[in-house]
Amino acid sequence: GENVEQHPSTLSVQEGDSAVIKCTYSDSASNYFPWYKQELGKRPQLIIDIRSNVGEKKDQRIAVTLNKTAKHFSLHITETQPEDSAVYFCAATPGDDMRFGAGTRLTVKP
Amino acid sequence: NAGVMQNPRHLVRRRGQEARLRCSPMKGHSHVYWYRQLPEEGLKFMVYLQKENIIDESGMPKERFSAEFPKEGPSILRIQQVVRGDSAAYFCASSPYRDEQYFGPGTRLTVT
Repeated sequence: GENVEQHPSTLSVQEGDSAVIKCTYSDSASNYFPWYKQELGKRPQLIIDIRSNVGEKKDQRIAVTLNKTAKHFSLHITETQPEDSAVYFCAATPGDDMRFGAGTRLTVKP
Repeated sequence: NAGVMQNPRHLVRRRGQEARLRCSPMKGHSHVYWYRQLPEEGLKFMVYLQKENIIDESGMPKERFSAEFPKEGPSILRIQQVVRGDSAAYFCASSPYRDEQYFGPGTRLTVT
């Protein structure tokens, strides 16, 4: 089955700086890679996703890159704001079930 | 279009009792997934269901846990004879396909 590893487990940045979270996956059949943001006590919310037929996708301050050869994908947040503080989860799926990384707790200091 | 609904939002059970967690997927979604999240931990896949079928239950403990998604009505995650270690947030997610998933608000189970 799929195994997803996520780094770092915690990340602290100054407001306005960029944040990068990296994930690796094991199943070469995985073709869908979403990222979720979970604020304290709330449900995970899908913030961006990428499919295996593209290498990069951007949505305002958030971008995701995918390297299928190396089996890793990354979340990039630019111009971070305090409201970006949350736990971020990456995930990968070949279609039948989704496996999540362990999460990254991002703190943006004002 | 209402989002994924879960109830109850909070559930307290004594050790040995049964817990029933309900999940109503978004309209038009026929795929339901259940996840467990222990305090300060990540999401762990439990089970994937389509209407009347369990597709993948590889993440679900073999004893005391069961799930169903009947033709009519919500998906149910059932935990029999709960123990303290079952205390967690249980999220369900629904999908119109097999990938994009939308999460419900979760049920926080506390076993006393």
